[in-house]
Amino acid sequence: ETGVTQTPRHLVMGMTNKKSLKCEQHLGHNAMYWYKQSAKKPLELMFVYNFKEQTENNSVPSRFSPECPNSSHLFLHLHTLQPEDSALYLCASSQEPPGSSTDTQYFGPGTRLTVL
Amino acid sequence: ELKVEQNPLFLSMQEGKNYTIYCNYSTTSDRLYWYRQDPGKSLESLFVLLSNGAVKQEGRLMASLDTKARLSTLHITAAVHDLSATYFCAVDEYGNKLVFGAGTILRVKS
Repeated sequence: ETGVTQTPRHLVMGMTNKKSLKCEQHLGHNAMYWYKQSAKKPLELMFVYNFKEQTENNSVPSRFSPECPNSSHLFLHLHTLQPEDSALYLCASSQEPPGSSTDTQYFGPGTRLTVL
Repeated sequence: ELKVEQNPLFLSMQEGKNYTIYCNYSTTSDRLYWYRQDPGKSLESLFVLLSNGAVKQEGRLMASLDTKARLSTLHITAAVHDLSATYFCAVDEYGNKLVFGAGTILRVKS
């Protein structure tokens, strides 16, 4: 596996379910991110982790709970979601601070989440 | 709070024509990024622009940055169908927090 991988790629859940999204990066980066991409809003940053420590929580509701056990893995735990939480959830990773002029955030393929 | 505005939001082009996508942002920043997203796919990095006057080119795409005007442009030269995608600019607000524009949906017609 190379780059940033995410599982599952698609997820349908009810409002009372609990599920988790997984992200893994194979790039040796030290920062990882969760983004939400919905149809009616620009891509929104949700959480940032640097060296496993959460450095940013962009006013995300508590029904989304991130976990970063090490620099290569990132989880997003979901519980009692609402239909408006249906979206594409993207994970990304980067090297921080940037080591070169071309360093950027690398994105995974995303998890398409549908909340019924 | 940093705001990033892209225009146009939708662009329908004829093959072979040139056009420019604009990205304006509201506060100073050291880094600006351009990404491409194909339908159903993830984001692919195109360019990283670091300084005033920076210009980068890859194939038919050229990106530039004017930090004084807080403006970046993505210029498309002689468009081809393969360039059809959604293009996003993103500005580094602080540290590694990126704020994205709404995206420009580009459709190249033959």
